[in-house]
Amino acid sequence: QQPVQSPQAVILREGEDAVINCSSSKALYSVHWYRQKHGEAPVFLMILLKGGEQKGHEKISASFNEKKQQSSLYLTASQLSYSGTYFCGTEISTNFGNEKLTFGTGTRLTIIP
Amino acid sequence: DGGITQSPKYLFRKEGQNVTLSCEQNLNHDAMYWYRQDPGQGLRLIYYSQIVNDFQKGDIAEGYSVSREKKESFPLTVTSAQKNPTAFYLCASSIYGQGSGNTIYFGEGSWLTVV
Repeated sequence: QQPVQSPQAVILREGEDAVINCSSSKALYSVHWYRQKHGEAPVFLMILLKGGEQKGHEKISASFNEKKQQSSLYLTASQLSYSGTYFCGTEISTNFGNEKLTFGTGTRLTIIP
Repeated sequence: DGGITQSPKYLFRKEGQNVTLSCEQNLNHDAMYWYRQDPGQGLRLIYYSQIVNDFQKGDIAEGYSVSREKKESFPLTVTSAQKNPTAFYLCASSIYGQGSGNTIYFGEGSWLTVV
């Protein structure tokens, strides 16, 4: 079950804040966040597990709302280096165990000076 | 340095040819994966392996084959049966298998183009 990301794309000026959402129609065990520059490997940002609500540091953080089955990634005071495509991946929790990681289609973030 | 090495970075394939993409990891991870990424798209799982000599099909396994004879190596063969192989291929690994909240680490990727 592929998670749904929103927005699909966003353009910000340097210093502005951004929120990227990732939602699922199924109960989630974990949410993984990655950033990818074009033609490069996705870089791991953070993972949120069931029972954990928020993670990260001052500039990049994420929350996990189990009841709503969604996660949000917060980018504060964005820098040019934050540009790229952000992917969330989710592991769904079932009665038979957790399913494999499935990625959303990504959110393209462009930071302009 | 520990990491995942993919080769080649760029590969051109003629129609009807099989090609093999190499993936080696020195992280001592049990699980390894192959993903395919099309322009503007997300990552789709081709095959994964949680242990040596065992592997499972992912969501888009048709036209691909893999082997896992060594813990460090997980090569992917794109066969002539794959009708639209042009894409960016990413190899990845994790300490344990999926469904356990493990972080997946990616290699630098391989671009495959059909000519």
